Amino acid sequence: DAGVIQSPRHEVTEMGQEVTLRCKPISGHNSLFWYRQTMMRGLELLIYFNNNVPIDDSGMPEDRFSAKMPNASFSTLKIQPSEPRDSAVYFCASSLRPSPKETQYFGPGTRLLVL
Amino acid sequence: AQKVTQAQTEISVVEKEDVTLDCVYETRDTTYYLFWYKQPPSGELVFLIRRNSFDEQNEISGRYSWNFQKSTSSFNFTITASQVVDSAVYFCALSEAIQGAQKLVFGQGTRLTINP
Repeated sequence: DAGVIQSPRHEVTEMGQEVTLRCKPISGHNSLFWYRQTMMRGLELLIYFNNNVPIDDSGMPEDRFSAKMPNASFSTLKIQPSEPRDSAVYFCASSLRPSPKETQYFGPGTRLLVL
Repeated sequence: AQKVTQAQTEISVVEKEDVTLDCVYETRDTTYYLFWYKQPPSGELVFLIRRNSFDEQNEISGRYSWNFQKSTSSFNFTITASQVVDSAVYFCALSEAIQGAQKLVFGQGTRLTINP
């Protein structure tokens, strides 16, 4: 079975440009999570969805970040405008159900560099 | 607030040595779940194990074993007879319930290097 799929795997852009990261969760999974990993802050949860509905976006750093999940098999994380401090690895993860006992399975990540 | 501490930032051992990665957590929940993930140099996060707070039995999977001690709020990970392929960053995580869903709180990770 396919795991979580993320695209692109690498993105290099210039400050001020719009960046869109994409995620396809594992089929049948109802919860989706976006994380950011940096050296300074480690792994941080940005936002998560249950059944396509955003539940908690308190981790989203600021209004430049937005996330959508138009259907059960697709989600996007958008940064507009991008800034150099947004450079990080962005992970998408999914789990079967919205329950603390469920395991989150991570995608390969998108490595973003904003110049 | 929930917190996970991995005090060992980096560990370096020679192949075939045993190595233990420490994880200490803080939570006020009576029911919680602990996880270990591996991040190899290729960058992906690989799930290793999940343990619930009611099951204090140690777990062994091949060369990997986990020691969960509720009394000391620790969930340590031991690799026996380490191999170069075990080189990675290892993360311990604690799951808390947020509106019925799962929020993972990660430790800062331990970078393990196995030298040939």
